[in-house]
Amino acid sequence: AQSVTQPDIHITVSEGASLELRCNYSYGATPYLFWYVQSPGQGLQLLLKYFSGDTLVQGIKGFEAEFKRSQSSFNLRKPSVHWSDAAEYFCAVVPYMDSSYKLIFGSGTRLLVRP
Amino acid sequence: EAQVTQNPRYLITVTGKKLTVTCSQNMNHEYMSWYRQDPGLGLRQIYYSMNVEVTDKGDVPEGYKVSRKEKRNFPLILESPSPNQTSLYFCASSLTSGGSEQFFGPGTRLTVL
Repeated sequence: AQSVTQPDIHITVSEGASLELRCNYSYGATPYLFWYVQSPGQGLQLLLKYFSGDTLVQGIKGFEAEFKRSQSSFNLRKPSVHWSDAAEYFCAVVPYMDSSYKLIFGSGTRLLVRP
Repeated sequence: EAQVTQNPRYLITVTGKKLTVTCSQNMNHEYMSWYRQDPGLGLRQIYYSMNVEVTDKGDVPEGYKVSRKEKRNFPLILESPSPNQTSLYFCASSLTSGGSEQFFGPGTRLTVL
């Protein structure tokens, strides 16, 4: 079945440590790929997106993501986490040629940052 | 300021009492959409609209209605709310469909008793 999987429900890192959040998708053709962040009580903010081209994508707030076709993955990374990065992160896709253009979300990964 | 607004932000109601959650965007976006967010499930699309008077069902449309009479507004209507519609609702809009970035409203937390 077509799906977006974020295998980690919670991740805890120390401030200043590096971060990688995992995302895998199962679609026949490469979909449009997104990472959103949701801070407590807030809506969702787009961190970055991948449509085609360079497989390493830079986003806002120092985040980057790497698309790996062979692994059907789009993992989010940050070299040094700040306490303000504590939030819930969602990987999402828009399936290629899907006429509804809906975002299909993973179940999210909650990031906790230790001081 | 470019934004998507939703009202109300919080609502507690009782089973069967009709309600409307409004959504408005000031960015002249063609595409608008409603999602619900439930723990462990991420966000799921309820309805979407490609443009004025063009709406269609998403993945979880049962129990909801929408209308798109003006480009900027996309209200979500619950004719007879039930407890299983207790959720956090988000409206989103984008310039066009396809890979355009979707901008999200702040959310409406609905509780149906």
